Amino acid sequence: AQSVTQLDSHVSVSEGTPVLLRCNYSSSYSPSLFWYVQHPNKGLQLLLKYTSAATLVKGINGFEAEFKKSETSFHLTKPSAHMSDAAEYFCVVTGPSGSARQLTFGSGTQLTVLP
Amino acid sequence: EAGVAQSPRYKIIEKRQSVAFWCNPISGHATLYWYQQILGQGPKLLIQFQNNGVVDDSQLPKDRFSAERLKGVDSTLKIQPAKLEDSAVYLCASSGLAGPSQETQYFGPGTRLLVL
Repeated sequence: AQSVTQLDSHVSVSEGTPVLLRCNYSSSYSPSLFWYVQHPNKGLQLLLKYTSAATLVKGINGFEAEFKKSETSFHLTKPSAHMSDAAEYFCVVTGPSGSARQLTFGSGTQLTVLP
Repeated sequence: EAGVAQSPRYKIIEKRQSVAFWCNPISGHATLYWYQQILGQGPKLLIQFQNNGVVDDSQLPKDRFSAERLKGVDSTLKIQPAKLEDSAVYLCASSGLAGPSQETQYFGPGTRLLVL
């Protein structure tokens, strides 16, 4: 079985400063990993995904994440936060290839961006 | 391309009443998922369909929850009777059968249910 741990339930940054949202995963196979963002009263939107290609993955809105197998981590970063980045972010791992491709979500990190 | 559609967006009911949610996936997507997201938690998979067959319903509370996808397109999720702990956002997602679209699930806006 796979699992994912988001190390911070809340992160607060000032506008224009870097963002780091931390995620560790556990999996007995080579996982696919995702970051989704959820703005208030809106559906989940895919930010980026890792599927065993390049370990540094670039996503939408200037976000990127680096897959580090030795550390079992998939942290999300952005060089400069914008007010519109305030939302909840979920790190997600899938089941093994050929399975039902179920998504296992972390508990989420609420990002606050201060003016 | 149109996204995943869900209705209603909000629903308030009293405990022991019944409620139904509807989802229309992205056109051509064979796989459809229903998730339950309780406040402060990540979404939890309730049931997964591929076309009109159930792939996984191991986390669906079958004594009160039911779901169907009769024609392999849209789907309904029903709760009968509802309990207070069913208050949550119910998310529908869809994905393709092959290629890059198989990896990614696209989510609808969700239905926010409040059980009083």
